[in-house]
Amino acid sequence: DVKVTQSSRYLVKRTGEKVFLECVQDMDHENMFWYRQDPGLGLRLIYFSYDVKMKEKGDIPEGYSVSREKKERFSLILESASTNQTSMYLCALGQINQPQHFGDGTRLSIL
Amino acid sequence: RKEVEQDPGPFNVPEGATVAFNCTYSNSASQSFFWYRQDCRKEPKLLMSVYSSGNEDGRFTAQLNRASQYISLLIRDSKLSDSATYLCVARGDAGKSTFGDGTTLTVKP
Repeated sequence: DVKVTQSSRYLVKRTGEKVFLECVQDMDHENMFWYRQDPGLGLRLIYFSYDVKMKEKGDIPEGYSVSREKKERFSLILESASTNQTSMYLCALGQINQPQHFGDGTRLSIL
Repeated sequence: RKEVEQDPGPFNVPEGATVAFNCTYSNSASQSFFWYRQDCRKEPKLLMSVYSSGNEDGRFTAQLNRASQYISLLIRDSKLSDSATYLCVARGDAGKSTFGDGTTLTVKP
């Protein structure tokens, strides 16, 4: 079974804080993805990575950065959290032409 | 226009009914297609892949029409436990997936 572990299920932070969301996999997959999901807007791709130290912008990268120092770990960083970044964040991994598998998600609230 | 479009529903059906969801995609370069199921406040989980020849998994049948850029999911003999949001997904050659916004199904006793 594919295992994708996100560090927190629920997180509350304050405006202006730097926030780290961690995602760890045990499948040795190259491709990892970060999405956010909001009511009425569906799943939107923030960033993705094809390999260690590689990153690509998704559809909504503004206000975010990522880090992939090791193959198994893909971190999403909110440089200076804002209230409009309150959302459900989902990490996924998946090989080319294969379905993606998601972590449990992190519900992030920015106050 | 969104790259992947689904009727958001909601679909409210009685137990035992047959229900069909449709999805269209605009990127003709999309190479692989999937249906996911998402329960309230949970992550999306893969339901099934979609092939041009059509594929079936128990009560679920998925179909792909590349010429019309159209994906469908048919659920027969609906159960209460089928209540969820169903997301269709088109994946391009670069590995990026585009998700539809989902169709909500409620199966009532």
